[in-house]
Amino acid sequence: RKEVEQDPGPFNVPEGATVAFNCTYSNSASQSFFWYRQDCRKEPKLLMSVYSSGNEDGRFTAQLNRASQYISLLIRDSKLSDSATYLCVVNIAYDYKLSFGAGTTVTVRA
Amino acid sequence: GAVVSQHPSWVICKSGTSVKIECRSLDFQATTMFWYRQFPKQSLMLMATSNEGSKATYEQGVEKDKFLINHASLTLSTLTVTSAHPEDSSFYICSYRTSFGQGSGANVLTFGAGSRLTVL
Repeated sequence: RKEVEQDPGPFNVPEGATVAFNCTYSNSASQSFFWYRQDCRKEPKLLMSVYSSGNEDGRFTAQLNRASQYISLLIRDSKLSDSATYLCVVNIAYDYKLSFGAGTTVTVRA
Repeated sequence: GAVVSQHPSWVICKSGTSVKIECRSLDFQATTMFWYRQFPKQSLMLMATSNEGSKATYEQGVEKDKFLINHASLTLSTLTVTSAHPEDSSFYICSYRTSFGQGSGANVLTFGAGSRLTVL
């Protein structure tokens, strides 16, 4: 079983729509959670950390469900510029190594 | 924010040649750098951890004699793909941690721009 699993998508949505997707992780000792954004043929860039109580950054909302071992990302009022692959990243406690999901591709159309 | 410079961005080489990728930290001193590899439509996979002044730590399944890592200074880490073959064609990315510790928000990574290697 992969440490981090994501629905690869693609999620094709019109501008202004809301899109949400999840990521599951296998290690219950995981402690830090992140969403990174990766544009085609570019390096990943941190979108947001995910906190236990859930957190919001503008149009982006991240949630953590430790009981079911998944995190989610919701994008409201989608923009064309939100088209990218979103990587779920998990860090196991006491270990600096990060585990990456393969990414969920979102395409926002005009 | 902190910046890491990686080059070359693109490299095409013949099978059997060696390719060196450099990763420089521009405004900080990095004792530890991480090297990742990403194949198309796959997740980033940690190859090795580069430690300044000492030997790199390689992940299971990564050949240390094929992927030579040198971290001779606090601002430069290099990855050399020796005797490259077509199956080594991939996106290689260096990174370092910008936050440390444990718990939410810890261990954030900042990445170099990546180097896309194509071996003919």
